[in-house]
Amino acid sequence: DGGITQSPKYLFRKEGQNVTLSCEQNLNHDAMYWYRQDPGQGLRLIYYSQIVNDFQKGDIAEGYSVSREKKESFPLTVTSAQKNPTAFYLCASSRVEVGELFFGEGSRLTVL
Amino acid sequence: KQEVTQIPAALSVPEGENLVLNCSFTDSAIYNLQWFRQDPGKGLTSLLLIQSSQREQTSGRLNASLDKSSGRSTLYIAASQPGDSATYLCAVRPPRQAGTALIFGKGTTLSVSS
Repeated sequence: DGGITQSPKYLFRKEGQNVTLSCEQNLNHDAMYWYRQDPGQGLRLIYYSQIVNDFQKGDIAEGYSVSREKKESFPLTVTSAQKNPTAFYLCASSRVEVGELFFGEGSRLTVL
Repeated sequence: KQEVTQIPAALSVPEGENLVLNCSFTDSAIYNLQWFRQDPGKGLTSLLLIQSSQREQTSGRLNASLDKSSGRSTLYIAASQPGDSATYLCAVRPPRQAGTALIFGKGTTLSVSS
């Protein structure tokens, strides 16, 4: 079945540690996105990528980094510079940059 | 800057009722609009995508309309069921030249009682 796989589903991090969230899609989509969701705040865009080896910052990119070395993969690293990283992280993809958006099941990060 | 608003934030209805969820956006220059459903602790599921040139889209008991000039979209759910209980989000995509990432509303949480 085609889809978007995010891992891990739950992740706990100590303050000062970097963590990497995985996002893999087998839909052959060109564009991939990372959103953050906090209660009462809605979804906010962290980074997006329209093609391999290229990505753009979203509204809240500070403290995050990404790479797009393969079309299928768009990992997100939450660095120690991110002041409030506890949140629900959602990865998404679309066939073209303006196409229908599809989401993974999300990763919940908790900082202890 | 484009803003998307969904009112009400929460809605409770008895099973079988027809209902309408509202979405408004401040800039009528959009490429498309998409409705999603989100169950607690889960990712978003795409329900309907409306291109800027379209007036409505239908899928089963769902019908979404778009009035770009007034900056509004509605999601109509016919004969609601307890399984429809979830948070419904709408999102607009800016024009191609303005960037391509969707801008989301905060959602309407629907509860359908049996």
